[in-house]
Amino acid sequence: AQSVTQPDIHITVSEGASLELRCNYSYGATPYLFWYVQSPGQGLQLLLKYFSGDTLVQGIKGFEAEFKRSQSSFNLRKPSVHWSDAAEYFCAVAQGNYGQNFVFGPGTRLSVLP
Amino acid sequence: DTAVSQTPKYLVTQMGNDKSIKCEQNLGHDTMYWYKQDSKKFLKIMFSYNNKELIINETVPNRFSPKSPDKAHLNLHINSLELGDSAVYFCASSQARGNTEAFFGQGTRLTVV
Repeated sequence: AQSVTQPDIHITVSEGASLELRCNYSYGATPYLFWYVQSPGQGLQLLLKYFSGDTLVQGIKGFEAEFKRSQSSFNLRKPSVHWSDAAEYFCAVAQGNYGQNFVFGPGTRLSVLP
Repeated sequence: DTAVSQTPKYLVTQMGNDKSIKCEQNLGHDTMYWYKQDSKKFLKIMFSYNNKELIINETVPNRFSPKSPDKAHLNLHINSLELGDSAVYFCASSQARGNTEAFFGQGTRLTVV
């Protein structure tokens, strides 16, 4: 069964600093990979996704992620963090061609210092 | 226009009661899901329906019963609520194919007292 790990439970960065959130997955076939963000009291919003092709994908709010098959990783990056980026970030992998099962990592909580 | 909407947003109830959470999507998707998010923010799938047919049924107590009257609706009924059922429940939907993302509702915070 596939799984997703996010090694960092909580990360604190200063506003304006760069950010990288780590994600590793375990899945036999070519994975479909996602990053979602959850602000307090809100649902999950898709930041970006990778299905195939270019391994560097751009998302909303200035985020990007790079798929590295050799490392089974899909790390999320942002060059300059804004205070509004403080939230919970989830990496997910999807399996199946019919009746999808989106498997989520445990999440990384991002705090931003002024 | 909300894509995936679930009601109610908050639900406080006593142990032993029966409650339902409703979910509707207007995206024309074929697949709908229920996820449970516990106090540590961990998201775990409970059920998945495709065109009203149950596809995924994870290890969930029988007290939880999903019902899909049509492919735009997936409701969750919970019998004999227990303290441990307190969580945030998310409804989601997606197309029924591999390369597609899931769209989530705003969640229902269930508190059992």
